[in-house]
Amino acid sequence: QKEVEQDPGPLSVPEGAIVSLNCTYSNSAFQYFMWYRQYSRKGPELLMYTYSSGNKEDGRFTAQVDKSSKYISLFIRVSQPSDSATYLCAMGRVTGANSKLTFGKGITLSVRP
Amino acid sequence: DGGITQSPKYLFRKEGQNVTLSCEQNLNHDAMYWYRQDPGQGLRLIYYSQIVNDFQKGDIAEGYSVSREKKESFPLTVTSAQKNPTAFYLCASSFRTAQETQYFGPGTRLLVL
Repeated sequence: QKEVEQDPGPLSVPEGAIVSLNCTYSNSAFQYFMWYRQYSRKGPELLMYTYSSGNKEDGRFTAQVDKSSKYISLFIRVSQPSDSATYLCAMGRVTGANSKLTFGKGITLSVRP
Repeated sequence: DGGITQSPKYLFRKEGQNVTLSCEQNLNHDAMYWYRQDPGQGLRLIYYSQIVNDFQKGDIAEGYSVSREKKESFPLTVTSAQKNPTAFYLCASSFRTAQETQYFGPGTRLLVL
């Protein structure tokens, strides 16, 4: 079982729809969780960073973490064509002096006008 | 204007040739990372460095080498030992460790002639 599993997609929705993106993980040592957005041929940019279970909201975006069930979600409300991109979940843990992120494979979202 | 720069945007490698990808940051970050991104594979960590003159192998270090002589710079060399180098290479940095937000550069696409 991979450490981080992300719905493979692709996903296509009409403009204005609510989008739900999900990742599950197997390693209970993960302590912090991130969502990145990556436009085609660009570097990823951080959307959300959470450290604890619960919801965190930023504008049209809500990140949800459920540590007991080992899954995280990103919700996008009132989706727009400019939201069309690949979304990557990432999880991290501290191991001694080192720490690193483990990324999901990403899901490509297309929002149709 | 703070950020991470990568050059070149596109790079072509001939058989048996070593090539070096540049990564520079002016964010005063201590930690820097190199990732490889292949279609459907997500981001995989090649090397990372948390301090000048020190670096560690990531998950797929074979066929790659790095140096960290200056805080601002973390060049990646793709050696002739890397048999499948065609990919999108991303450099990232964070303030101290991967526990903190990683900021990504725009990427370099490496193609083999």
